[in-house]
Amino acid sequence: EAQVTQNPRYLITVTGKKLTVTCSQNMNHEYMSWYRQDPGLGLRQIYYSMNVEVTDKGDVPEGYKVSRKEKRNFPLILESPSPNQTSLYFCASSLPGLQNTEAFFGQGTRLTVV
Amino acid sequence: DQQVKQNSPSLSVQEGRISILNCDYTNSMFDYFLWYKKYPAEGPTFLISISSIKDKNEDGRFTVFLNKSAKHLSLHIVPSQPGDSAVYFCGGLTGANNLFFGTGTRLTVIP
Repeated sequence: EAQVTQNPRYLITVTGKKLTVTCSQNMNHEYMSWYRQDPGLGLRQIYYSMNVEVTDKGDVPEGYKVSRKEKRNFPLILESPSPNQTSLYFCASSLPGLQNTEAFFGQGTRLTVV
Repeated sequence: DQQVKQNSPSLSVQEGRISILNCDYTNSMFDYFLWYKKYPAEGPTFLISISSIKDKNEDGRFTVFLNKSAKHLSLHIVPSQPGDSAVYFCGGLTGANNLFFGTGTRLTVIP
């Protein structure tokens, strides 16, 4: 089954404690991205990756890092989480090119930073 | 600055009637526009898209209309069904594959 898998689904952590949210896709997609969803702000892109070893900032990259060492995985790293990073996070993947406009999303990771 | 705007946070429609969800955008460089549907505790799922060179795209009960001069698009659902109750996100896709979303509209279809 084609899917994007995020882990963990729920996470409560304390300010300043480094954490990683993993994302893996089994569709051999080149393009992957991370979004956060906040009330009244919709989905905002954090980082994206066009292919292995190619990453770039989205709309709201501050406080986040990503890496793309292999095609299927695109982890999101919070080196020093803060309460304003409490949010619902989604990873997505798609094929490159405008003819492939459908992105597949993971089920989300609800992060709470206290 | 929000490049894609959905000014109606919520919409309620009777089952069987038409649902019309609206979306405005400011970025003239969007090449595609997409609609995603999101149920609680799930990720968004793709619904329908339209190229910026088209003015209409239809897929079953779902039709998207694009008015480039007004920088406005709308999603029509006919007939609306209770299973359509969800949050709908409008998105604009750039040539660099970056997808900008609106804030979403919560549709409730009343049986």
